[in-house]
Amino acid sequence: EAQVTQNPRYLITVTGKKLTVTCSQNMNHEYMSWYRQDPGLGLRQIYYSMNVEVTDKGDVPEGYKVSRKEKRNFPLILESPSPNQTSLYFCASSTTGEQYFGPGTRLTVT
Amino acid sequence: GENVEQHPSTLSVQEGDSAVIKCTYSDSASNYFPWYKQELGKRPQLIIDIRSNVGEKKDQRIAVTLNKTAKHFSLHITETQPEDSAVYFCAARLPNSGYSTLTFGKGTMLLVSP
Repeated sequence: EAQVTQNPRYLITVTGKKLTVTCSQNMNHEYMSWYRQDPGLGLRQIYYSMNVEVTDKGDVPEGYKVSRKEKRNFPLILESPSPNQTSLYFCASSTTGEQYFGPGTRLTVT
Repeated sequence: GENVEQHPSTLSVQEGDSAVIKCTYSDSASNYFPWYKQELGKRPQLIIDIRSNVGEKKDQRIAVTLNKTAKHFSLHITETQPEDSAVYFCAARLPNSGYSTLTFGKGTMLLVSP
């Protein structure tokens, strides 16, 4: 089954404790993205990647890092999480058309 | 970069009525305009999309229209049903931003009452 997976689905952590949210797709897509979704603000892009080892900042990259060492994986790294990074995070992958979203990761930083 | 405005933020209709959601975009170079539906607790899923060389596209009860001159596009849902209740997002993509970059509107919560 073609899909985008994310782990963990839910995470509660404390300020400053490094964490990684994994994202994997099995559709051989070149393009992958991370978004955060906050009430009233819609979906805002954090980082995106156009291929292995090619990444670029989206609209809200501060406090986040990404890597694309393999085509299928695109982890999101929070080196020192802060409460304003509490949000619902979606990974997505695409070719030239539709973006396929993962199931989401709900992160709470206390 | 691109900026997408979406209206209304909430829309309540009776079952069987039509619903229209409108979006405007800022960069005339944008050439791809998808609409996503997000049910409560679920991921966004594409319901229809349109490219800049087409003025209208229809898929059963949903249709999208694009006015490039005015830089706006709209989602039309006819004969609404309770299962259409969800948050709908419009988005736009610039051709030189790569296929991974979409700029989304803030969303419209559609509530269809039986």
